[in-house]
Amino acid sequence: AQTVTQSQPEMSVQEAETVTLSCTYDTSESDYYLFWYKQPPSRQMILVIRQEAYKQQNATENRFSVNFQKAAKSFSLKISDSQLGDAAMYFCALSGGYQKVTFGIGTKLQVIP
Amino acid sequence: EAGVTQSPTHLIKTRGQQATLRCSPISGHTSVYWYQQALGLGLQFLLWYDEGEERNRGNFPPRFSGRQFPNYSSELNVNALELEDSALYLCASSWGTSRTTDTQYFGPGTRLTVL
Repeated sequence: AQTVTQSQPEMSVQEAETVTLSCTYDTSESDYYLFWYKQPPSRQMILVIRQEAYKQQNATENRFSVNFQKAAKSFSLKISDSQLGDAAMYFCALSGGYQKVTFGIGTKLQVIP
Repeated sequence: EAGVTQSPTHLIKTRGQQATLRCSPISGHTSVYWYQQALGLGLQFLLWYDEGEERNRGNFPPRFSGRQFPNYSSELNVNALELEDSALYLCASSWGTSRTTDTQYFGPGTRLTVL
């Protein structure tokens, strides 16, 4: 079985500052993908960033980057220059095996003006 | 390009009734996934359909069922509704089994309320 753990139920960050959201996971698969999804109050789930486990280089998408530590099974999301529009629930997800995706319970991010 | 669409946006039912939720995937996607997101919980995987067949099922009772049509759209049926079925139901689509662990793209969800 694969598991995803997000240990921070809520986080807050000052506008323009940097925040890191934590995620740890466990899987027996050798080939897997990790994702961060964002769910704003409008509730549409949006893909933020994706990391292939076989790649050592950390994925980056504009202000969003990950710190992927494969040995430690850690996959954190860093948001730089935080904006009010970043306020949302952030879900870490693991896709391994036969299209099986497991989500964490989410971290609610508040951005303070 | 149109994204994943779901209907209805909101659905109110009473205990014991049946609910039908619909999903249209992104054009070209053959896989459709259904998730339940209850208040305060993460996403719980319900069902996965690809090429018209059920490929995988989460830990939900048989009264949760669905199907995928030839045009790859899908519907989720929940029979004998219970109060705890009240949740946001999210549909996602991807390219399907031809690509390993492909990215899923989500629809806006259907809010089901059981009274």
